[in-house]
Amino acid sequence: SQQGEEDPQALSIQEGENATMNCSYKTSINNLQWYRQNSGRGLVHLILIRSNEREKHSGRLRVTLDTSKKSSSLLITASRAADTASYFCATDGYSTLTFGKGTMLLVSP
Amino acid sequence: NAGVTQTPKFQVLKTGQSMTLQCAQDMNHEYMSWYRQDPGMGLRLIHYSVGAGITDQGEVPNGYNVSRSTTEDFPLRLLSAAPSQTSVYFCASSYSGQGITGELFFGEGSRLTVL
Repeated sequence: SQQGEEDPQALSIQEGENATMNCSYKTSINNLQWYRQNSGRGLVHLILIRSNEREKHSGRLRVTLDTSKKSSSLLITASRAADTASYFCATDGYSTLTFGKGTMLLVSP
Repeated sequence: NAGVTQTPKFQVLKTGQSMTLQCAQDMNHEYMSWYRQDPGMGLRLIHYSVGAGITDQGEVPNGYNVSRSTTEDFPLRLLSAAPSQTSVYFCASSYSGQGITGELFFGEGSRLTVL
């Protein structure tokens, strides 16, 4: 069964704006990861945050993790058209990596 | 450095036919896995392997077989294809040092249609 669930399902913004997508999960995790998938391509790892971390940055990406609320957020600052893709959270429940259904992000010029 | 290579990229089968999706990685990763991606369902784990000679079932293993005779290769076999197996299949691998839940490296996918 799906562990992580992203919200919103779809997001449409203009270039230069920030994009925020959220992930909620149900059981305890070891770490949470975010991936990007361009249309017709494989998934690419973006960032991993461990259960004992609260915030992590990588370039224009900022990820937060709230284990008490069982939720995470991915913020992409100053979005570009090239950021158009689907974004997935994946949770590690100490056995296998389980993916959510993803958020489709459209960044218009 | 090719990373994770999947073949074929596209395949059309008739119901009842069998076939093997190939997956090879050149990064000396211990962990390998197969996912299927369907619209509205996200990615679901089919089978995974933590090393040569070791495989285990994921969330949706029925109708699929795997084996891991070498570190590099992890083929996925469809025993008797059904229309419900129409999907995009992704192979992924991970560094052994990170265990089975570290950063995954994905192939480009194999798009299978079963008529």
